[in-house]
Amino acid sequence: SQTIHQWPATLVQPVGSPLSLECTVEGTSNPNLYWYRQAAGRGLQLLFYSVGIGQISSEVPQNLSASRPQDRQFILSSKKLLLSDSGFYLCAWSEDLGEKEQYFGPGTRLTVT
Amino acid sequence: GNSVTQMEGPVTLSEEAFLTINCTYTATGYPSLFWYVQYPGEGLQLLLKATKADDKGSNKGFEATYRKETTSFHLEKGSVQVSDSAVYFCALIYNDYKLSFGAGTTVTVRA
Repeated sequence: SQTIHQWPATLVQPVGSPLSLECTVEGTSNPNLYWYRQAAGRGLQLLFYSVGIGQISSEVPQNLSASRPQDRQFILSSKKLLLSDSGFYLCAWSEDLGEKEQYFGPGTRLTVT
Repeated sequence: GNSVTQMEGPVTLSEEAFLTINCTYTATGYPSLFWYVQYPGEGLQLLLKATKADDKGSNKGFEATYRKETTSFHLEKGSVQVSDSAVYFCALIYNDYKLSFGAGTTVTVRA
């Protein structure tokens, strides 16, 4: 069966510091991968998606970037965090395009102080 | 555009009460519709889905029917339990991969 991991689970970082969140998927190959952010009391916002190694599409211009160095690894980064980057970050995967449901990881709660 | 609107919470119920969470959508074409659930401190789990008009998704006693005529996908459960306390998100998928989520409805079930 497929599993998706995210780490760290929680993170507290000062404004201006760098960020690296990691997501890995097991039990499948060539998944589509997604990064979402959930701000407090709000729905999810799609940040990035990837259909393959090195292929990243950004949905919302912002202070963050994403990379996919390996088939089942997806990384969310920032060079300098802002207070507004605080939130709950969720990674998800799907089998392929074509209205396939997405499966979510446990999330990383980021607090920027 | 493609979007989802769901009823605002929070919703507080007693055990064995009937739960309804309204969800309506705006979309071009005929998107697939989903309900996701988020338990405290966890990520999202797919609860149920429907891919075409009149489809009924069901899981864990929850049901939702894809109503094209009213552009709705209301979530229902006949008898809730304390363990159903969570945040529920209605969502649709468009352009093959883009999920558009509602703002979420927090449900608290009291014993």
